[in-house]
Amino acid sequence: RKEVEQDPGPFNVPEGATVAFNCTYSNSASQSFFWYRQDCRKEPKLLMSVYSSGNEDGRFTAQLNRASQYISLLIRDSKLSDSATYLCVVNRDNNAGNMLTFGGGTRLMVKP
Amino acid sequence: AAGVIQSPRHLIKEKRETATLKCYPIPRHDTVYWYQQGPGQDPQFLISFYEKMQSDKGSIPDRFSAQQFSDYHSELNMSSLELGDSALYFCASGTGLSLGAFFGQGTRLTVV
Repeated sequence: RKEVEQDPGPFNVPEGATVAFNCTYSNSASQSFFWYRQDCRKEPKLLMSVYSSGNEDGRFTAQLNRASQYISLLIRDSKLSDSATYLCVVNRDNNAGNMLTFGGGTRLMVKP
Repeated sequence: AAGVIQSPRHLIKEKRETATLKCYPIPRHDTVYWYQQGPGQDPQFLISFYEKMQSDKGSIPDRFSAQQFSDYHSELNMSSLELGDSALYFCASGTGLSLGAFFGQGTRLTVV
């Protein structure tokens, strides 16, 4: 079982739709959490950090449930340009530095 | 703002040859990560350095080695290349658990 798991999708949604991605992590020592976006053949780019209190950045809302070890990303009013793979990433201190672990990614395709 | 610089961007090598990939992290970042991403796969962690010391090791073959130098740049050395080593190799740098990591544009290695 992977340490960080995501539904691979693809999620095919029309423009303007709201879409939600979920992610679970198995290591309870994980300390910080992120969503990255990756376009085809490009590097992953940090989309947003995820906090227990929930955080919002424009059309994007991220939520963390530490008790359930569950992370979510909600995208409202989807745009064509949101089409990408969304990677859930967890970070933990392994006593010698940070350790970033990626989920398998969820592919989103927004259609006109 | 300065980003993570990787070189070369593209590299073609023959089987059994050696390759060296370079990474220049964002200034003042204390952690460097190396990831390998095959076609259609999520980034797989290879190795990381914290303050120039190796901090963690993932699924890195024995044929690969890496180091971080006094100027904080890092090199990934790959020997006895195999066809299956063809992939995108990303370097990322970061500092602190809560800030995530920032990726370079990657080196696309093709082994023929």
